[in-house]
Amino acid sequence: GEDVEQSLFLSVREGDSSVINCTYTDSSSTYLYWYKQEPGAGLQLLTYIFSNMDMKQDQRLTVLLNKKDKHLSLRIADTQTGDSAIYFCAETNNQGGKLIFGQGTELSVKP
Amino acid sequence: DAGVTQSPTHLIKTRGQHVTLRCSPISGHKSVSWYQQVLGQGPQFIFQYYEKEERGRGNFPDRFSARQFPNYSSELNVNALLLGDSALYLCASSLGGHPSYEQYFGPGTRLTVT
Repeated sequence: GEDVEQSLFLSVREGDSSVINCTYTDSSSTYLYWYKQEPGAGLQLLTYIFSNMDMKQDQRLTVLLNKKDKHLSLRIADTQTGDSAIYFCAETNNQGGKLIFGQGTELSVKP
Repeated sequence: DAGVTQSPTHLIKTRGQHVTLRCSPISGHKSVSWYQQVLGQGPQFIFQYYEKEERGRGNFPDRFSARQFPNYSSELNVNALLLGDSALYLCASSLGGHPSYEQYFGPGTRLTVT
């Protein structure tokens, strides 16, 4: 089956690193994504990783993929109050453009 | 360039009614996908259209239908509304149907069914 799971909440102090974790069940996943959603807004694509990669870095964001354990993480370095939002992990296995999303992790950044 | 636009922003309907939601993709994008996001949950895939043809369908009843027009805009229709259809409906556009193409999401239409 297809399932994506995330922890619901994470609280960090401004300037610290945040690590948001995600697990998925679909062994045929090809692309894995991280989206950010601010209150009352749509989804913003932050970054994505192809399933044959194990790491991708983009400025303050680092994505780690452990395909054996079906575990994906997003590390945000030097977390700022503007990073407070809900972060969604999503995966696809090429079937008809379907993205499978997790429940989202609410990141709270305290000054 | 304008991003993905959706209309209306908010909508209140009564059980049993019908609703039409509209989406205009980013210029040059030929694929549109629809998602339903119930409060507190992640988005659930409803449909993908590419070049005016349905390319994918999620696990939603036949009360949900959609179409894509020659200008690549799209409509999502929901018949016989239920209270459980209350949600944020998100539209996403991409250059093509392959998952390597980034999906850009619109701000959504907030539907409330009373």
